[in-house]
Amino acid sequence: GQQVMQIPQYQHVQEGEDFTTYCNSSTTLSNIQWYKQRPGGHPVFLIQLVKSGEVKKQKRLTFQFGEAKKNSSLHITATQTTDVGTYFCAGLMDSSYKLIFGSGTRLLVRP
Amino acid sequence: DGGITQSPKYLFRKEGQNVTLSCEQNLNHDAMYWYRQDPGQGLRLIYYSQIVNDFQKGDIAEGYSVSREKKESFPLTVTSAQKNPTAFYLCASSDSFDRGYTEAFFGQGTRLTVV
Repeated sequence: GQQVMQIPQYQHVQEGEDFTTYCNSSTTLSNIQWYKQRPGGHPVFLIQLVKSGEVKKQKRLTFQFGEAKKNSSLHITATQTTDVGTYFCAGLMDSSYKLIFGSGTRLLVRP
Repeated sequence: DGGITQSPKYLFRKEGQNVTLSCEQNLNHDAMYWYRQDPGQGLRLIYYSQIVNDFQKGDIAEGYSVSREKKESFPLTVTSAQKNPTAFYLCASSDSFDRGYTEAFFGQGTRLTVV
C-alpha cells in the first residue's frame, strides 16, 4: 500500500546546530505538508508544498519538495530549545483526500 | 470560536465494550479524518471522509466504524473486534481540495484506555 517513510526517528542536537528530517513516499503526491507536535499536544500545520521542486522558507526553517513529488525535507538552521517536538511530513495521495503521515522525527535540543 | 472539538479527553472502557469517540467541527470543512497514535509512534489513518454520507477506509480500519451523516460530525466507534484499542485518537478536518487548502486542523485528541 501507499507509504510515507521518514528518517531519522530521533535527532538529539546541541542548541545552535542544524537539523534535517527526510520524507519519502512510495507513490507520487499531490502535495506534501509538514506538521509539528509538541509533547502531549496535537499536530499543528507548518506548511504545504505543491509544486515539483518547490522550496519554501519560514525564518530558520527550509522546506523542499522533490522533483518527482515523492520526497521532501525540512531543515532547521541553528536550532533553539523552542524547536523541540516531533516533526511529521504528511502526503496527500494523488487525486484523493487520503492524507498519510510519516512516522515522524523527534527533535531534542540540548541547551 | 471555530475549531474541532473531540470529547471526551480521557476515556476508560472495559474490554469487550464498544465505545464511540465524538468529533465535531464548525469550520465548514468538507473532509474529516481519524488517526490513531501509539506512544512514540506516528499517525496512522483509520478512516477519512471527503463529503457527507461518504467515507473511505484508511490503513488500519479493522475493528473501527464511522458515520458521516452531518458535515460537522464524524464519530468513530471502536468495536470489541479491535484487538489493541488503547491509544491516542486524533480527529482532523480540512477544506475542499478544489479550493487548494488541504491543511489539516486537529482536535485535542481522546486518550482511550481499555482495561
